[in-house]
Amino acid sequence: GAGVSQTPSNKVTEKGKYVELRCDPISGHTALYWYRQSLGQGPEFLIYFQGTGAADDSGLPNDRFFAVRPEGSVSTLKIQRTERGDSAVYLCASSPGTGGVYEQYFGPGTRLTVT
Amino acid sequence: AQSVAQPEDQVNVAEGNPLTVKCTYSVSGNPYLFWYVQYPNRGLQFLLKYITGDNLVKGSYGFEAEFNKSQTSFHLKKPSALVSDSALYFCAVRERSYSGAGSYQLTFGKGTKLSVIP
Repeated sequence: GAGVSQTPSNKVTEKGKYVELRCDPISGHTALYWYRQSLGQGPEFLIYFQGTGAADDSGLPNDRFFAVRPEGSVSTLKIQRTERGDSAVYLCASSPGTGGVYEQYFGPGTRLTVT
Repeated sequence: AQSVAQPEDQVNVAEGNPLTVKCTYSVSGNPYLFWYVQYPNRGLQFLLKYITGDNLVKGSYGFEAEFNKSQTSFHLKKPSALVSDSALYFCAVRERSYSGAGSYQLTFGKGTKLSVIP
């Protein structure tokens, strides 16, 4: 079946601009996660949704970052007033449930470059 | 707080030889442990996980990992390496929460680049 998809695959934006990154999880997966991966590092947690609500947003670096999942499926990560330090690969993952027994299935990521 | 250490940035192994990619972890309680592989320009692919039970876990593509609670380790192994195994490998941990509360985020190591030499 179809895996997690993310659009766009690449995004180049100027410092100060607003960007939206989209994630389409595996059909039927109730849990959705956003991670950020900088060069040479492992993914770092940003936010997790169970259904439509953000159950844990403790990884969001500041209030310029916001994410929504209005219908419990597709999610959008929104970054306001982008900074060069926001440049990274943004990964989305989904899982069938929220118990720790479930592995997370990752999308290919969106590479964000802020110039 | 939970953390993962992958002490080797790179591991080189000859094709056909056994390979080991090391991982140690730190959690307050008991862990759930995962290995993922990342090929160039592709997302992370799940390899295997330890939840409970047998300490030796078998996963995809002939990989296995051994959970060692006393050493807080979860090393990834394969008896005979293939050139196609060359990739970036990530170990991840999540603390088991018996109350059901808490976050379900994974904490990843920095990754180990595996190069299998023909």
